[in-house]
Amino acid sequence: EPEVTQTPSHQVTQMGQEVILRCVPISNHLYFYWYRQILGQKVEFLVSFYNNEISEKSEIFDDQFSVERPDGSNFTLKIRSTKLEDSAMYFCASSDLGSYNEQFFGPGTRLTVL
Amino acid sequence: EDKVVQSPLSLVVHEGDTVTLNCSYEVTNFRSLLWYKQEKKAPTFLFMLTSSGIEKKSGRLSSILDKKELFSILNITATQTGDSAVYLCAVLSGNTPLVFGKGTRLSVIA
Repeated sequence: EPEVTQTPSHQVTQMGQEVILRCVPISNHLYFYWYRQILGQKVEFLVSFYNNEISEKSEIFDDQFSVERPDGSNFTLKIRSTKLEDSAMYFCASSDLGSYNEQFFGPGTRLTVL
Repeated sequence: EDKVVQSPLSLVVHEGDTVTLNCSYEVTNFRSLLWYKQEKKAPTFLFMLTSSGIEKKSGRLSSILDKKELFSILNITATQTGDSAVYLCAVLSGNTPLVFGKGTRLSVIA
């Protein structure tokens, strides 16, 4: 069964460093999303991406964040200068019919900022 | 602001019990409500509900939506230890992606 994959599973970084989280969405999906879940809190939407551009973003997704689809398979989230409060689990998701349809989630990347 | 509220926040039951998890929402331009099960990491999809009063069923799990009263319930019958997880409710409204509730942590004791 096709699935969304994410790497790395765990990333530890120093405050102020840049990190890139990688996702490979399901191959025939066209809509991609990033969510985050701070420990003990609810899953929060960050950004959605379609046709090589951001279609929607939340207020969390400030200038420190960027997304890219560098090739036909990968979808990345970059945090330019990490802060302690960026420590969270980051989930990538994809869907075939936009947000009106089921979104399949990847296993997540746990980001720890020291 | 769109809001999704789940109750209870946590629940401990014995194997074989039946549980009902609740999700209420306040959103503009409701489109659908989704239930996910989150064990160790990624939420896995359970149900998507769009129409009121139509029960969706998968094995021992079932769910129904009430668009008039703005809530949904997720029922699990004959619970097993493998049902232990956080159950997430999320709502699609307008063109915005999913808005999640805080989840209900279910623990099933043998």
